[in-house]
Amino acid sequence: KAGVTQTPRYLIKTRGQQVTLSCSPISGHRSVSWYQQTPGQGLQFLFEYFSETQRNKGNFPGRFSGRQFSNSRSEMNVSTLELGDSALYLCASRAGGGDGNEQFFGPGTRLTVL
Amino acid sequence: ILNVEQSPQSLHVQEGDSTNFTCSFPSSNFYALHWYRWETAKSPEALFVMTLNGDEKKKGRISATLNTKEGYSYLYIKGSQPEDSATYLCAFRDNYGQNFVFGPGTRLSVLP
Repeated sequence: KAGVTQTPRYLIKTRGQQVTLSCSPISGHRSVSWYQQTPGQGLQFLFEYFSETQRNKGNFPGRFSGRQFSNSRSEMNVSTLELGDSALYLCASRAGGGDGNEQFFGPGTRLTVL
Repeated sequence: ILNVEQSPQSLHVQEGDSTNFTCSFPSSNFYALHWYRWETAKSPEALFVMTLNGDEKKKGRISATLNTKEGYSYLYIKGSQPEDSATYLCAFRDNYGQNFVFGPGTRLSVLP
């Protein structure tokens, strides 16, 4: 079974631009969560989607948004990029919505904002 | 703002030593506690999801316990091996579902 894939793996943008990151979950998984990893803040939860609906959201500004498609693939969008948005963005998928399910992480997208 | 703490911040042990780390989290509104292992240049790997007070889980040489009343979880590694070198993260989810907070991690180095 293929693992979680994320595209692109690396991205360079400038301040004020917007960016869209993509995540394809493991086949059959319906839940996709997004995380941001920065040296200063550690790993932080962005949001979780399950069956095309946002279930949970972390404490991030509205510039961070996401969506999930009927095939469970998910995209994350960041508008009006700031220097502080430079980070590793990870997505993770799990089979069901219950918290007892193990999460499987993708390799991440490294975003650099200049 | 929920606070999840982990100690120690880093740890160096010799191959064959057993070790343990602590994760502290809020004792109210508990829903679940996750443990992950994150090796350099790899993706985080789920170790355990713990939901019940008194839970004990084991995977090979790694085990974890959970005390939701006092708000802590221990992760134990028996007979550490160099391949156990990684950052170990815990994450707390509250029963409102809105908060899923990671600790800062414990960086373990196992010296051969």
